[in-house]
Amino acid sequence: GAVVSQHPSWVICKSGTSVKIECRSLDFQATTMFWYRQFPKQSLMLMATSNEGSKATYEQGVEKDKFLINHASLTLSTLTVTSAHPEDSSFYICSLAGQGDTEAFFGQGTRLTVV
Amino acid sequence: GQNIDQPTEMTATEGAIVQINCTYQTSGFNGLFWYQQHAGEAPTFLSYNVLDGLEEKGRFSSFLSRSKGYSYLLLKELQMKDSASYLCAVKDSNYQLIWGAGTKLIIKP
Repeated sequence: GAVVSQHPSWVICKSGTSVKIECRSLDFQATTMFWYRQFPKQSLMLMATSNEGSKATYEQGVEKDKFLINHASLTLSTLTVTSAHPEDSSFYICSLAGQGDTEAFFGQGTRLTVV
Repeated sequence: GQNIDQPTEMTATEGAIVQINCTYQTSGFNGLFWYQQHAGEAPTFLSYNVLDGLEEKGRFSSFLSRSKGYSYLLLKELQMKDSASYLCAVKDSNYQLIWGAGTKLIIKP
């Protein structure tokens, strides 16, 4: 199956700064990647769908100007949390799941703590 | 709206069998997934059902009834390492994964 590498695995940043999370597809050309957020003891919540070469599709309630997504190549999608605040502290995970796939492939996840 | 229900928490004894249920109401259906997630880690794939019936894979089995919008994950010969959250997810008509809130499984010796 596809291997997805996500970096960093954890990051601590100061309030007001920006953080970039990378998601790489190591052996698969991913035209679509999904970005999720998960708060403690809660389910995965889809934030946006990243499409190679075009704008991301954001879910309702997710600020596109705060969570910048760039999918410049078939193997790399990035999520930048801009002007981070403590309430943005969460577990962020990227995923690949094509239409015909019988499995969703996940990155390792990034634990973001904003202090 | 789309909805996936599963129990919040279950407790079972090491060596025993446990069944985790999942009911769903989604716009279309293109498969149901079960994932295991340990705290602070990404989910790991357990099973996929798209047709009615039972899929067996080692100690884990998953069942699907599309007419009832129902699935269960059966874990046999429970081990302490099986303590985790178990997530049910359905691919809807747009091939988007809709996730349940997860069932926290606690295994006691």
